[in-house]
Amino acid sequence: GQQLNQSPQSMFIQEGEDVSMNCTSSSIFNTWLWYKQDPGEGPVLLIALYKAGELTSNGRLTAQFGITRKDSFLNISASIPSDVGIYFCAGQRGRGTSYGKLTFGQGTILTVHP
Amino acid sequence: DGGITQSPKYLFRKEGQNVTLSCEQNLNHDAMYWYRQDPGQGLRLIYYSQIVNDFQKGDIAEGYSVSREKKESFPLTVTSAQKNPTAFYLCASSVTAFRVTGELFFGEGSRLTVL
Repeated sequence: GQQLNQSPQSMFIQEGEDVSMNCTSSSIFNTWLWYKQDPGEGPVLLIALYKAGELTSNGRLTAQFGITRKDSFLNISASIPSDVGIYFCAGQRGRGTSYGKLTFGQGTILTVHP
Repeated sequence: DGGITQSPKYLFRKEGQNVTLSCEQNLNHDAMYWYRQDPGQGLRLIYYSQIVNDFQKGDIAEGYSVSREKKESFPLTVTSAQKNPTAFYLCASSVTAFRVTGELFFGEGSRLTVL
């Protein structure tokens, strides 16, 4: 199936540092989403992006929908210990046969040291 | 509270046995999905259902079966034909598959271990 390349695979940072992660694809997506998964739980939506070039913030989180529609970025500012978890990007091709089907990246494992 | 309930949370199975994972939602969502999660591989779509009595294969449907007899329920059966069934299974739902919002609501997952 279609692949999203998410990087980095893992990050080890100190509390207070900023974090950046990104997702790239060889295909165009019309919607980009960022999810966070806590250990042993299901992913929870952080930010949804629906327009190329869109920049959206949710508290300390900021995400951007790339102009080419083939990439997206997530930044976390001033990290805190509860930011620990796995962050997934997901893309949706759009209307028609894709419906609600999402393609997920491999995930970025974030560890924050106090 | 509205949400998605998966059960059991942990399940152990012997090789050659079928096992059924339950997924129930009270969000009144039309669409439901099953994903499989393996370390380092993200989430892969097994089956999805856009409406009651209809379901479609995802990217890795072999060795799995589903049913959608009720709007609230979308059980997944992991059959003995699934060659590597040990994984974390996630059920999700969305308002409708015909509205392109992309947002999925996930359950807490079921971890299946084959002994």
